[in-house]
Formats: sequence, C-alpha cells, structure tokens
Amino acid sequence: NAGVTQTPKFQVLKTGQSMTLQCAQDMNHEYMSWYRQDPGMGLRLIHYSVGAGITDQGEVPNGYNVSRSTTEDFPLRLLSAAPSQTSVYFCASSSPSGHRGGLDYGYTFGSGTRLTVV
Amino acid sequence: GEDVEQSLFLSVREGDSSVINCTYTDSSSTYLYWYKQEPGAGLQLLTYIFSNMDMKQDQRLTVLLNKKDKHLSLRIADTQTGDSAIYFCALVDSSYKLIFGSGTRLLVRP
Repeated sequence: NAGVTQTPKFQVLKTGQSMTLQCAQDMNHEYMSWYRQDPGMGLRLIHYSVGAGITDQGEVPNGYNVSRSTTEDFPLRLLSAAPSQTSVYFCASSSPSGHRGGLDYGYTFGSGTRLTVV
Repeated sequence: GEDVEQSLFLSVREGDSSVINCTYTDSSSTYLYWYKQEPGAGLQLLTYIFSNMDMKQDQRLTVLLNKKDKHLSLRIADTQTGDSAIYFCALVDSSYKLIFGSGTRLLVRP
C-alpha cells in the first residue's frame, strides 16, 4: 500500500516552460487536493476534487490546471511557469467515512515536490 | 472564507510542556486536526478532535477545544528535541475543503 505518491520530488523550470506534477493514490479515496507551501504562509489550497470528473478551484488557482479522469490520479499542470510559482507542492487524498461517530475527512499527504522556477 | 490563525514560533526547553494555539472562524467542521511537519518532509496527521468533545488525550498529547471561543490548542507534555517541527492546525470547511493555519514552528532547546 503506497499511499499518496508524488513525482518528481525536485524540479527546476525556466520561466515560461510548462510541466505536470503527478499525484497518484492507491487507497480508492474520493477526495484529492493540491496545496502549495510557502514560508510563513502555511499550506494554501490550489485545486481540489471530490471525485472522478469533478474539480474545483481553491484559494490560489491562477496559473494551474487540474483534471481528474480516474479516481487514482490527480495531475497538476503549470501552463507557463513563473518565478512566483517557486514553492513546495503537496498532494493529499481523503475518503470521508462515517466511523468514529461522525464524518472524518482526515487527509493523507504525499512527500511533496520542490519546484524552482528561474 | 474560513480563516485559521496560529502564532508562527514557539521555543521551549527540553522537558517542559509546549502549548500551541489556533483560532478559527468556521464552526461547521466535524473534526479539527493537528498535523506535524518535520524538516524536508510531508505532513503527518498527529491527532484530531471531534467537534462535540472538549478534550482529547493521547499519550503526551492533549487537545483542547473551546467551541464558544473557536479556539483549539495542542499541549505536548515532556517536550523532546524530536518534537521540533512545524505544527499545523486544520479543519474542514462547509465546502469539504481542508483549510490550514500558517503553522507554528516549535523549537526545543536542550
């Protein structure tokens, strides 16, 4: 059981280049999310999905696209990289369940992708 | 939208107790979470509390929830150097999104 797998772990891009950050989970989780982490700002939600074929914007969606064609995969695309997108990116998944007396949305996180745009 | 606030930094001496505080604006979340992030690593779910509870204890960890004041705290007893990390409080908002505070960096001095 691999959990949430992110690739690559490190990436350097030139301004204007495009790339896709990959995220896959093998837990059959319905919910998946992408966050970026910047110093002193915590984790900010970029995009999220509550199931295959359904995506929605988070707090900071500009410059990023997502799709959710399968339950397992939730790739994040940078269309034209900018230095402001230098950050650490985390993918997370969750399966809201009714145990423990209520709905539990506890998320499992990938190990992150450190992206530098020069 | 939801706003989750934490102080940015806490320094304690090894063996003392640490208390990390969090305030929030949306009271609809069923669960409230504490995550731990060690240097260069991802986020690890540390503990959680159900919204109808006031307190939860798990070994050295005690979570207190004051729903009236919308205040959540994490107490770590007998803090060790291995507890040095960033601690995030998080909750699920009314749209089922997981929202994080800015994180509190805990430094444990020998």
